Amino acid sequence: GAGVSQSPSNKVTEKGKDVELRCDPISGHTALYWYRQRLGQGLEFLIYFQGNSAPDKSGLPSDRFSAERTGESVSTLTIQRTQQEDSAVYLCASRDVEVKLFFGSGTQLSVL
Amino acid sequence: GENVEQHPSTLSVQEGDSAVIKCTYSDSASNYFPWYKQELGKGPQLIIDIRSNVGEKKDQRIAVTLNKTAKHFSLHITETQPEDSAVYFCAASISNFGNEKLTFGTGTRLTIIP
Repeated sequence: GAGVSQSPSNKVTEKGKDVELRCDPISGHTALYWYRQRLGQGLEFLIYFQGNSAPDKSGLPSDRFSAERTGESVSTLTIQRTQQEDSAVYLCASRDVEVKLFFGSGTQLSVL
Repeated sequence: GENVEQHPSTLSVQEGDSAVIKCTYSDSASNYFPWYKQELGKGPQLIIDIRSNVGEKKDQRIAVTLNKTAKHFSLHITETQPEDSAVYFCAASISNFGNEKLTFGTGTRLTIIP
């Protein structure tokens, strides 16, 4: 079946601009995660959704980062006033009933 | 919070030989340990996982072992093939059927030499 879909796959933006990254989880998966992966690094937890609520936002690096989820489906990660240190791959994952996480291919964000 | 250490950071193995990647974790409450394979330009793909009620799990050429007392777990790949070349990540979490926040290791770049 269809996997986790993320868009855009690549985003180049200028410092100071806002960006929106989208995630479409696997149908029926109620839990959704956002992670960040800097070049050559491991995955850094950002936020977790259960349904449309976010019980754990502890990984969001600053108040410039926010995320929402609607209809227990699509999620959007928004980064305001982007900085060069925001450049990374942003990965979304959804979780099945066996507690396994399935990742999308990510959005490569480059802030110039 | 949980801290996961992974080593080695790079590993080169002759095709057909075995590869072993090791991870340690800090939180004794962690009870779920997945391994992910990430190929260039793709998201991580789950290849095998183990829960704390078992010590070993196998799936064809891949096996994972867990030592809860020592708080470490390992990935074993036997009869390696060129398509096994990728970055491998271990992770740990406390699985309470609520927030499965995985804490990842820093990755191992595995290269299979033909």
